[in-house]
Order: sequence, then structure tokens, then C-alpha cells
Amino acid sequence: DAKTTQPPSMDCAEGRAANLPCNHSTISGNEYVYWYRQIHSQGPQYIIHGLKNNETNEMASLIITEDRKSSTLILPHATLRDTAVYYCIVQRGTGFQKLVFGTGTRLLVSP
Amino acid sequence: EAGVAQSPRYKIIEKRQSVAFWCNPISGHATLYWYQQILGQGPKLLIQFQNNGVVDDSQLPKDRFSAERLKGVDSTLKIQPAKLEDSAVYLCASSLASVNTGELFFGEGSRLTVL
Repeated sequence: DAKTTQPPSMDCAEGRAANLPCNHSTISGNEYVYWYRQIHSQGPQYIIHGLKNNETNEMASLIITEDRKSSTLILPHATLRDTAVYYCIVQRGTGFQKLVFGTGTRLLVSP
Repeated sequence: EAGVAQSPRYKIIEKRQSVAFWCNPISGHATLYWYQQILGQGPKLLIQFQNNGVVDDSQLPKDRFSAERLKGVDSTLKIQPAKLEDSAVYLCASSLASVNTGELFFGEGSRLTVL
């Protein structure tokens, strides 16, 4: 599975958009981009995933570049409850699912 | 819908003792995972079950760790004997499908401290 690179930490003001980047330059054609987050003392929580097209759900938007070598997770109006570690994971879309977590980005949302 | 249940939430043991963690996945989920998360790191997969069969246990330290999933529902992860470096949170996750875009649902984890 392709490796991902994320900044170790980011800050965001409450109410502003949080844009979390992820580099996955070695991604292959059948690999999806997944985002999970982990709030302190909880298990990881699924946010969103995509293959080629941009995706949006009630939690976030996922923007994938045309060459698929990088992506951005957007939290449109960050709240204090969005403070968490965000993991970008690349996972092939066939065969048994096995999420391989890196160290993620620690997002701190401040008042 | 009930989530993934894990117990105990916390456990403190001396090194060389044994410990067991229990996981009850979401009803109907065929795939079950055990992850180990050491402080400051991302979760690391230990073992993956599809129903009651093992799919991947390549990162399970088999000299001291064992896991089973009898009847394809509940699962138990055991450590015997425990070492100091086993101090971590043990996360159980389940998913409805093992292929394509199955979302993983995680429990809150069991925090182990080995003294």
C-alpha cells in the first residue's frame, strides 16, 4: 500500500475552514484515499474516502488532485470538537481491507 | 445501532503476567480487527479475521500474543507473558465487508499498562 505524508500538526481558529493536506505520490490506480480521525481517548472514526472525484458528506469534503498524488481534507467550519489527530490512509479497493495508519496530523482548533 | 464493545477499558498488570481483552463487533460485521496503539503512534494492525478465519496475522507477536474469534462473532486477544513494551491501547474494529470500500468501526479501546 502507498505511503502518505502529512504535517505533524496544524492550528485552526474556531469557525474557520480547516484544510488538512496529504501527499501520496506513489498511489496506484486501484487505491482509495481514506480519512479517519481520532479524538483523545477514543477509537478512530471514519470521515470520508474517495478514488478520483472530489467527495463531500456531512462531516467534510475531500479534494483529490487530478494526478491523485495529493489530497486535502476540508472541515468547512471547524469547531472545538474537531480537535483530533487526522489520518490520511491509502488503501487498495480490492482484496481484504487493511488500514495502515501513519502518525497523522494533530489538529488543534482554538476559540 | 450498538457500536463495537470492548472490555476492560483499563488494565494494569505486572510484567510476565497474562491479560485478555474482549471485543464484541457490530452485529452482522464479518470482518474483525485488533490494532495496537502505542502512545504517540498511529494504530498498528495485529490481526484480522474474516468470520472465524484469520486473514492476516503477520504483525502479531505469536510467541506471546494470541487471538481467537469463535463462532465468527466475539473475539478475545490474549497476551502471555506481558512485557513492558506491550503497554498500549488495544483497539478492536469491525467492518461489514472485507472488500472495496468497507468502513471500519472502532471501539473505544482497552488501555493496558504493564509495570
